[in-house]
Amino acid sequence: GNSVTQMEGPVTLSEEAFLTINCTYTATGYPSLFWYVQYPGEGLQLLLKATKADDKGSNKGFEATYRKETTSFHLEKGSVQVSDSAVYFCALRPSGGYQKVTFGTGTKLQVIP
Amino acid sequence: EAGVTQFPSHSVIEKGQTVTLRCDPISGHDNLYWYRRVMGKEIKFLLHFVKESKQDESGMPNNRFLAERTGGTYSTLKVQPAELEDSGVYFCASSSKQELTEAFFGQGTRLTVV
Repeated sequence: GNSVTQMEGPVTLSEEAFLTINCTYTATGYPSLFWYVQYPGEGLQLLLKATKADDKGSNKGFEATYRKETTSFHLEKGSVQVSDSAVYFCALRPSGGYQKVTFGTGTKLQVIP
Repeated sequence: EAGVTQFPSHSVIEKGQTVTLRCDPISGHDNLYWYRRVMGKEIKFLLHFVKESKQDESGMPNNRFLAERTGGTYSTLKVQPAELEDSGVYFCASSSKQELTEAFFGQGTRLTVV
């Protein structure tokens, strides 16, 4: 079946540090890939997405590249801020018709001043 | 415009009791989804309404869970009787398109069964 594996958290970084949150997936065909973010006290929000191999999704300074050869979609940001503290979820949606989204376990990021 | 609202934000109940979670979607959104995250694990799909009809309820874990969406507006998710393993965060999302990635999520209801 389909699955998403994320690095275990929590991740604690100092402000302006470089961030990488690893995500790998298992799926047949060519799924679409997503990163969601949940800030404290808020609902999940779609952060970025990529729908085909080699696509790069980007938003709010975050980037992730769809790597078919390594089945990965790692989230990166060059310089994190305290306001980036949140839980980040990697997710996939298989291709074709009505398909449910499969989420990873989430990675909590804490950025300290 | 109001977002997706979930009630209550937190609930602590004893094993064997009944709890009802409510979700008010964004007005006009026909699609309503329930997901849950058991602590430390992935967010898992429970079910999907289109208006008042259940489009897909394949994620409902067992018959202790009952979801309704009478009139195609708000939805309730009842757990009866609650068990310890039901503890987690229950998310609701709504969208105008049949596409979760176009959906808006509520802040979730944290359910603790003791």
